[in-house]
Amino acid sequence: DTEVTQTPKHLVMGMTNKKSLKCEQHMGHRAMYWYKQKAKKPPELMFVYSYEKLSINESVPSRFSPECPNSSLLNLHLHALQPEDSALYLCASSRHAGTSYGYTFGSGTRLTVV
Amino acid sequence: QQQVKQSPQSLIVQKGGISIINCAYENTAFDYFPWYQQFPGKGPALLIAIRPDVSEKKEGRFTISFNKSAKQFSLHIMDSQPGDSATYFCAASKQPGGAQKLVFGQGTRLTINP
Repeated sequence: DTEVTQTPKHLVMGMTNKKSLKCEQHMGHRAMYWYKQKAKKPPELMFVYSYEKLSINESVPSRFSPECPNSSLLNLHLHALQPEDSALYLCASSRHAGTSYGYTFGSGTRLTVV
Repeated sequence: QQQVKQSPQSLIVQKGGISIINCAYENTAFDYFPWYQQFPGKGPALLIAIRPDVSEKKEGRFTISFNKSAKQFSLHIMDSQPGDSATYFCAASKQPGGAQKLVFGQGTRLTINP
């Protein structure tokens, strides 16, 4: 299995809703990442998990809450989002934090906040 | 110092021609330089990558040229095909020592005309 699987593919949520994005990989990668990508822009790093522990938070607002239940799963919990948070949310994984190889992206969740 | 500058923003090439995208970086600590290809609605996919100990790497129709002294690297797509039409991102990161963070260029939207 050489894929990073993200669910759901599309999500529409109101500003008062609570929702979660899920990411799964079975490549044995021990580093997992959340990126946010706006239209016609490059991906922007949000969070990095290394060996299931949060190692980087790029000053992301607290309405985004990451969780790494085990080495294969990564969640992003969303609460009280704003319309400007609408974007493509990408999960990625790599062999382990600190190496530069095997960096694989999922297809993303297209999030629309209304 | 963390930036990677990419040009051009958009590029139109005739089928069978050579597509060339350029990137420049400032941080000499970067030592891994991947190129990603992204189709609409999909996550970025690793196309080809290079380390600074080599000046060129070729995989099929795709070649990275690397100039360490000028701190520049470029992607060449030979015999460009309509299926190559996508957005291309260069990126850079540091080697082991901490959690990996990819710094992306701004992207190039490539269109191959049939």
